[in-house]
Amino acid sequence: EAGVAQSPRYKIIEKRQSVAFWCNPISGHATLYWYQQILGQGPKLLIQFQNNGVVDDSQLPKDRFSAERLKGVDSTLKIQPAKLEDSAVYLCASSLDWRSTDTQYFGPGTRLTVL
Amino acid sequence: GENVEQHPSTLSVQEGDSAVIKCTYSDSASNYFPWYKQELGKGPQLIIDIRSNVGEKKDQRIAVTLNKTAKHFSLHITETQPEDSAVYFCAAALSGGSYIPTFGRGTSLIVHP
Repeated sequence: EAGVAQSPRYKIIEKRQSVAFWCNPISGHATLYWYQQILGQGPKLLIQFQNNGVVDDSQLPKDRFSAERLKGVDSTLKIQPAKLEDSAVYLCASSLDWRSTDTQYFGPGTRLTVL
Repeated sequence: GENVEQHPSTLSVQEGDSAVIKCTYSDSASNYFPWYKQELGKGPQLIIDIRSNVGEKKDQRIAVTLNKTAKHFSLHITETQPEDSAVYFCAAALSGGSYIPTFGRGTSLIVHP
């Protein structure tokens, strides 16, 4: 079974630029999560999708971050404009359905460096 | 909101020794406590979890204990091997809710051959 795929793996941009990350969850997984992991800390949830709808985005900085999962499969996370403090690893995770299982499967992450 | 404290931040052991990582949580409503292992350049991988109706759970060399009264839970790894070297995260969440896990800051485990 293929795992969660993310791209790119690494990205370096200058502050005020825009960047987008892509995630392809495990086939059949209805729930998709985006996390931000700052160096030396645990992952922090940014947004949770159930199919193509948002379950929780209370911790997403909506002035600069946006995410979508239009067809209920792949998802993109965008930052515009980026700030220095956005430097982190962005992890995507998926689960079969958050209403029936807690087990999440994480992708390898995208390491973002903002200069 | 939930707050999870994890200790120690770094743990160095000799191969074959046991390793213990401890976490405390603040929200008594939390009822699901997963542990993740994160190797360099990879995403976290679930290694074991425990629910609030259970006090202990074991899976080969890994065990987790939960004390609901004291609001703390621990990960125990016996007979450590070099391949156990990684960063370990504990988390607390409300199962059946929207499941927003709160993670600890991680423990870097180093197992010396």
